[in-house]
Amino acid sequence: DTGVSQNPRHKITKRGQNVTFRCDPISEHNRLYWYRQTLGQGPEFLTYFQNEAQLEKSRLLSDRFSAERPKGSFSTLEIQRTEQGDSAMYLCASSLEGWTEAFFGQGTRLTVV
Amino acid sequence: DQQVKQNSPSLSVQEGRISILNCDYTNSMFDYFLWYKKYPAEGPTFLISISSIKDKNEDGRFTVFLNKSAKHLSLHIVPSQPGDSAVYFCAASAGDGSQGNLIFGKGTKLSVKP
Repeated sequence: DTGVSQNPRHKITKRGQNVTFRCDPISEHNRLYWYRQTLGQGPEFLTYFQNEAQLEKSRLLSDRFSAERPKGSFSTLEIQRTEQGDSAMYLCASSLEGWTEAFFGQGTRLTVV
Repeated sequence: DQQVKQNSPSLSVQEGRISILNCDYTNSMFDYFLWYKKYPAEGPTFLISISSIKDKNEDGRFTVFLNKSAKHLSLHIVPSQPGDSAVYFCAASAGDGSQGNLIFGKGTKLSVKP
């Protein structure tokens, strides 16, 4: 297993466009998390899946954000009508049981111009 | 308001000496704490954790101390090595660490000089 994979690694988009990121977790992991990290800050929680069920969402996840995890495997995070404030590193993590076994991907860096 | 605070943005230590990274929290519901290390262009990597029922957890060169009454934890790295140079994040969770989200601090950049 190659670990948690995130694609694309970098995305530059114009304000107002929609973007979609993909996360492929470690295959046997049933928990999947999305975090966002801006410059000088620690990662901030966005949402959490257990299998295909989205169990928790942060208030940071506005109506423009949507995440899915069909069939409990890979996950997508879509941002509609991007704004400059959406520019950040979007991190995905997965685990089987809990946080001590969680692995983060390398992230997708989004730049909104 | 920041629930997990790492007040030192950076720390510089000589190789072979002890590195001490500090973390304070405000939410008394937190009862599980983790430290992550992050190299540039990589995702955070889990380092060590501690449950609130303990006051110390050790793993090789890394030891985490928890002072619940002071709502303070620290990570000790002994001896420090140049490869330890990275950003270290403290994170906290309410629960036993098996679910839910983590609250991260802003991180401390550790530089270990040869």
